[in-house]
This record gives sequence, C-alpha cells and structure tokens, in this order.
Amino acid sequence: DIQMTQSPSTLSASVGDRVTITCRASQSISSWLAWYQQKPGKAPKLLIDKASGLESGVPSRFSGSGSGTEFTLTISSLQPDDFATYYCQQYNSLLTFGGGTKVEIK
Amino acid sequence: QITLKESGPTLVKPTQTLTLTCTFSGFSLSTSGVGVGWIRQPPGKALEWLALIYWDDDKRYSPSLKSRLTITKDTSKNQVVLTMTNMDPVDTATYSCAHRGGLRGGFDIWGQGTVVTVSS
Repeated sequence: DIQMTQSPSTLSASVGDRVTITCRASQSISSWLAWYQQKPGKAPKLLIDKASGLESGVPSRFSGSGSGTEFTLTISSLQPDDFATYYCQQYNSLLTFGGGTKVEIK
Repeated sequence: QITLKESGPTLVKPTQTLTLTCTFSGFSLSTSGVGVGWIRQPPGKALEWLALIYWDDDKRYSPSLKSRLTITKDTSKNQVVLTMTNMDPVDTATYSCAHRGGLRGGFDIWGQGTVVTVSS
C-alpha cells in the first residue's frame, strides 16, 4: 500500500504570505497526484491533477509541482478565501489520501 | 451539469450492514474512462478512500477494508451502491460519492455527503 504523508499538519499564515505544503509518497507515484481544498462542512474541491495541472476556474495563485515521491502545493499570495484544509491524493496504485494540512489565520 | 447525491440510513447498529446509494446525473457510467468512488471522513479527521467502480465494471477497494466492502452499479438507474458489513462505531463518518472523469485521476465532482452514525 502507498502511504501519503503531508507536512505540516497545521500552518499559520497571514494574507499575502507565500504558502507551501508538502506531500511525500512512500514509493514513487510518478506524477499521479491530485490536490484538494476542503472548507468546514463542504465537499472537497479538486484544485490540481497530475501533480501540476490546474483545474479550470482555480486561481493561478495555486500551483503544484513534483514527481516521484515528493510534491508541493504552493499558494503564491494567500487570500482570505484560502483558509481551509488541503489534501493530496495519489492514484498511481489504488487511491490514498494524505492526512491533510490545515491553513489557519496567523 | 454533473451532480451526485448520497442516500442511506443515518444510524446503524454495530454489526449491521450499511447500504448507501449514490444517485447521479449529468454523465453516464457506461462512458469509457468514467468512474464513481466512495470516500469517507470521520468527524475532525482526514479523507479516506473506500472503493471505486469504472464504466467497464472494474472494481477497486481500499486494502484495509476490502473484506467488508462491495460496490456495484446500475447504469440504467444512474446509481452506484456501496455496502459495508460488520459496522463498528469507528465507522461513524460522512460518506461521500464522487465522479472521476476519464482524463483525471482526481475526483472532480463530489456529492454533499451523508452522515452515518454507528451506535447501539
């Protein structure tokens, strides 16, 4: 089974900050990785697919990078609407979600 | 417009079998590459993938829950059904179904989720 480890688990940041979230896979998953944003009481929203492919309608301040076992989600300038929990998900072998990263207001 | 909606019991007793139905519209589960998955989220915890069924009836399960899960589809009714046996209080969670398009690995459209509590 492929395990996905996100870090940090919680991140305190201010509006305008550059934020980076890391997701590590227990074995190589090539670029088969998605990122989601979830707000309390809401369904997750797909932000990025295939490691770096921005979904339609997602602001360009979001970007994804990486391949193999290490991936990052970057928010170039944090906006008030971005305070949420972010999850990575691999789909190289079955499916696995990471443990989540909560981005909270500093 | 793609929509999905989950339905099923809100309360089940320990050892009982849970049956959840995902009713969808805006796509066909007979279209090549399309899949519907089930994901759950215990209160305050992370997302956990459970099962996935494809247009060609290929089925995949979470290894840790495989012995307890069955996923089926009824293309004519636009429904996907998940059954989970031997329910336990630790299975209390919001259960959601989601669409996976042919060119994506992620789930691009999600249902609103349904809360299932396991308690005697």
